[in-house]
Amino acid sequence: SQQGEEDPQALSIQEGENATMNCSYKTSINNLQWYRQNSGRGLVHLILIRSNEREKHSGRLRVTLDTSKKSSSLLITASRAADTASYFCATDRAAGNKLTFGGGTRVLVKP
Amino acid sequence: NAGVMQNPRHLVRRRGQEARLRCSPMKGHSHVYWYRQLPEEGLKFMVYLQKENIIDESGMPKERFSAEFPKEGPSILRIQQVVRGDSAAYFCASSPSGSRSSGNTIYFGEGSWLTVV
Repeated sequence: SQQGEEDPQALSIQEGENATMNCSYKTSINNLQWYRQNSGRGLVHLILIRSNEREKHSGRLRVTLDTSKKSSSLLITASRAADTASYFCATDRAAGNKLTFGGGTRVLVKP
Repeated sequence: NAGVMQNPRHLVRRRGQEARLRCSPMKGHSHVYWYRQLPEEGLKFMVYLQKENIIDESGMPKERFSAEFPKEGPSILRIQQVVRGDSAAYFCASSPSGSRSSGNTIYFGEGSWLTVV
């Protein structure tokens, strides 16, 4: 299995609900980043959390990082239909210069 | 400040033809990365380049694929003798430096969708 795996693979919620997705990884990292991708589009950077940080907020987004469990979570509060997209975590390993992506979580927010 | 620019956005090639994908990094960025995304999958790293240098090509297939980032002009990802399995979205990203220990974000272009028929 690959560095950076998201769980669940797909998530369907009603507008206004919270969406939580998780990411697990295997090796030591410098940073972990979350990206959003709308269908047929490029990736939009959402948030970066460094290995020495435990939690970070940006608007309706909350990211946690637990380096002891090698996992991260992304919470989207009060979801909107426009949040419908695929969400990817990407890790930046301590000894490398490239981001390693997971397979993504496909989120559907129903109006 | 324009973002990462990729062209063409969509490209159709017959089997055996060549595909050339171009990427202009963000202004001030000297590091370029190429990723490939198969349908319903995450992005897979292909190659990391600085101006005139390939730093890491560990994700590049050994044959038919090549990349360059010349002193002047965009980065080019070249696929020779394309096959159906090359059909994918190819994303370019750039960063101001290669080290992300300080938390530099890399920025992605909108991608080039290659279809091999």
